[in-house]
Amino acid sequence: GAVVSQHPSRVICKSGTSVKIECRSLDFQATTMFWYRQFPKKSLMLMATSNEGSKATYEQGVEKDKFLINHASLTLSTLTVTSAHPEDSSFYICSARDSRRNSPLHFGNGTRLTVT
Amino acid sequence: ILNVEQSPQSLHVQEGDSTNFTCSFPSSNFYALHWYRWETAKSPEALFVMTLNGDEKKKGRISATLNTKEGYSYLYIKGSQPEDSATYLCAFHGSSNTGKLIFGQGTTLQVKP
Repeated sequence: GAVVSQHPSRVICKSGTSVKIECRSLDFQATTMFWYRQFPKKSLMLMATSNEGSKATYEQGVEKDKFLINHASLTLSTLTVTSAHPEDSSFYICSARDSRRNSPLHFGNGTRLTVT
Repeated sequence: ILNVEQSPQSLHVQEGDSTNFTCSFPSSNFYALHWYRWETAKSPEALFVMTLNGDEKKKGRISATLNTKEGYSYLYIKGSQPEDSATYLCAFHGSSNTGKLIFGQGTTLQVKP
């Protein structure tokens, strides 16, 4: 159980276009999902906490107008990278926690974004 | 800024060797410490969620200990196998935040047959 599906796994886009990444919890409801970004040889950096039915909470230094997060249902959160630039090229991964106390995070497979 | 450090950054061992690595984290405002295993081309998989000082958890050949007073956790792998090759991540869950985890950089383990 506790499967998180992330799509697409890989995307190449041109500079200036927008890219949407979906994160779905398949067999549990997730009121909160987390979006991470991984820079080369670095740890997973938390970008934002996505809250179902309300605005996302962004970490310091993350542009909310650049990285739009929508959490419209208990099983779906989306991250849209708007007007992408080459410096946005990175690995983005989502995670969700089920409702059990002290439950771990369940991760998607990640999305490798390349902006040309 | 919360700092979670893991060492070593990478490790190469022979099949059958036992090994261990360290995660250090803030000793204040502690809620939980997570360990994950991340194999190439897969998603990170939870190993342990540890909450109490002195906790010891075990899953097969992998075990972990927790010292919240001094802010460290050890992960041990007994009799390493090639399938243990992965990046091992620890993550700090502080009591003053909203459930978010702060990750260390990971320890990448390579087990040679």
